[in-house]
Amino acid sequence: DVVMTQSPLALPVTLGQPASISCRSSQSLVYSDGKTYLSWFQQRPGQSPRRLISEVSNRDSGVPDRFSGSGSGTDFTLKISRVEAEDVGVYYCMQGAHWPLTFGPGTKVDIK
Amino acid sequence: EVQLVESGGGLVQPGGSLRLSCAASGFTFATYDMNWVRQAPGKGLEWVSYIDRSGSYIYYADSVKGRFTISRDNAKNSLYLEMNSLRAEDTAFYYCATWDYWGQGTLVTVSS
Repeated sequence: DVVMTQSPLALPVTLGQPASISCRSSQSLVYSDGKTYLSWFQQRPGQSPRRLISEVSNRDSGVPDRFSGSGSGTDFTLKISRVEAEDVGVYYCMQGAHWPLTFGPGTKVDIK
Repeated sequence: EVQLVESGGGLVQPGGSLRLSCAASGFTFATYDMNWVRQAPGKGLEWVSYIDRSGSYIYYADSVKGRFTISRDNAKNSLYLEMNSLRAEDTAFYYCATWDYWGQGTLVTVSS
């Protein structure tokens, strides 16, 4: 199975400051169709998860442009340009290139 | 408005069975691949099962293979998860998800 690791696992941030989460996979996430299947999900306290980004860098509809995704192969990053209070929650990366699908352990973002 | 509404969760004894349902509305269900994802209380996300839009391709996590069965009825806009031989470690909130859309989850508790 593809193992997804995230760092840090806890990220205290200051409002208005940038934040960055790293996600690494144990195998390349480039699929046979040439696309890279790495997604990012946000789960706010008490809510269901919500996808923010698909295929490394494609923001979902309604996702603020302060969220951006980058990376390639096995190394990926989610960046928040200026953290807002509503960004508190747990962020998960997920690979969709290999069965079984696997999630990272999650990074808990809260305000300092 | 897009909605995915899970039902069927509850308390069941070890070794017992449950059938979860997910009712979809507000989008063309028959054109979406579907997933079940679970989350033990206070823990991270775990992908459980996938079914493609036609029901032809199905995958399971190793942890549930042979015990859980995913199915769908496109005429009824519904997704199902038949769960047998339940174990304490299956205790979790179960979400149906297209990745774009997620339900609110239904809690399955396996305990004597």
